[in-house]
Amino acid sequence: QQQVKQSPQSLIVQKGGISIINCAYENTAFDYFPWYQQFPGKGPALLIAIRPDVSEKKEGRFTISFNKSAKQFSLHIMDSQPGDSATYFCAASIGGGSEKLVFGKGTKLTVNP
Amino acid sequence: DGGITQSPKYLFRKEGQNVTLSCEQNLNHDAMYWYRQDPGQGLRLIYYSQIVNDFQKGDIAEGYSVSREKKESFPLTVTSAQKNPTAFYLCASRGLGSDQPQHFGDGTRLSIL
Repeated sequence: QQQVKQSPQSLIVQKGGISIINCAYENTAFDYFPWYQQFPGKGPALLIAIRPDVSEKKEGRFTISFNKSAKQFSLHIMDSQPGDSATYFCAASIGGGSEKLVFGKGTKLTVNP
Repeated sequence: DGGITQSPKYLFRKEGQNVTLSCEQNLNHDAMYWYRQDPGQGLRLIYYSQIVNDFQKGDIAEGYSVSREKKESFPLTVTSAQKNPTAFYLCASRGLGSDQPQHFGDGTRLSIL
């Protein structure tokens, strides 16, 4: 049973455009939702994270939008750049932190110059 | 520099042999994790340890074993019982506190010949 469903599987965006990746979860006990960025041959790195007491969190060009009633959250990358080309993973956990994460299957983002 | 070191980066073994993947961290983190990454499958938790001499099974522990004799080291053994061991293996560590993220190493790619 997949607890965190991520879409799309792949995404191609032009430089300067907006990239949007969506995730949906089933377990209402989840209370911490991070996004990780992974470049080829490297390990994932934390990009941004949100807890359900806020509906949006912004860090530079990256924004998480959170909809608790719909059990969905999304990553928006504004002014996408070729250097943003990577695989992005959403995740969820219980307990307010990243003690035990459940990951989505990932989205491969390609930003064309 | 503080970080997580996984070695080797590439590993080849004959079918039927056990193989041990190394993970060392100098971040003084208490918790350590092993994940398996397959194309299009996201990260799946194999084992994790929150303290020395203690560890718990993750979602796909069958065919794997771990030890945690030292705080900085968490080796993973892929046994001959693992039916499909070819994959990218990621080690992570995490400090105490709900705001502490998981930090990842750069992985070991295991290929069974």
